[in-house]
Amino acid sequence: EDKVVQSPLSLVVHEGDTVTLNCSYEVTNFRSLLWYKQEKKAPTFLFMLTSSGIEKKSGRLSSILDKKELFSILNITATQTGDSAIYLCAVEESNNNDMRFGAGTRLTVKP
Amino acid sequence: DGGITQSPKYLFRKEGQNVTLSCEQNLNHDAMYWYRQDPGQGLRLIYYSQIVNDFQKGDIAEGYSVSREKKESFPLTVTSAQKNPTAFYLCASKEDRGSHEQYFGPGTRLTVT
Repeated sequence: EDKVVQSPLSLVVHEGDTVTLNCSYEVTNFRSLLWYKQEKKAPTFLFMLTSSGIEKKSGRLSSILDKKELFSILNITATQTGDSAIYLCAVEESNNNDMRFGAGTRLTVKP
Repeated sequence: DGGITQSPKYLFRKEGQNVTLSCEQNLNHDAMYWYRQDPGQGLRLIYYSQIVNDFQKGDIAEGYSVSREKKESFPLTVTSAQKNPTAFYLCASKEDRGSHEQYFGPGTRLTVT
């Protein structure tokens, strides 16, 4: 059965710490992997990854995909309290138009 | 302003009643999706539609129904057959098969007592 597994499920850090969130997947026809940040309501898009080894970067956030080992990581450096959110990983399949989400990692950044 | 709207934000219903959640987008997107989110879980796909008058079941379609009579609208009906309907429901849309990113609505929190 296709699945997307995120770890850890929950993480508590202090401002200034660096965190690494993990997403492993098993899908039949991989097309892309996406990271979303969900604060109060709707998830907001962070990154889309399709190729192995190419780092995507946006400010203090970066992400990379390993298609051989079937995982992706999301790094956040110098964390701030505003980074507190649920981070969702989703994998898109190429044979249909649906997307499989992981359970998410709840990140709490304490001042 | 382009975007996806869901209404209402909060909905309360008695057990045994059907309820319809609204989702409208003016982004001219072809594909639309309905997800359910429970505490401690990720988004689970209920139904999706790639084109008007066509839709497919997702992983947890039982107890739900949808229609796609217009490109802009993809309402979800939670029927009395759904065993645990209380949840947060998110609607999303995507431009077409060639695009990747989904755009999400603000969600509807349904409470059934």
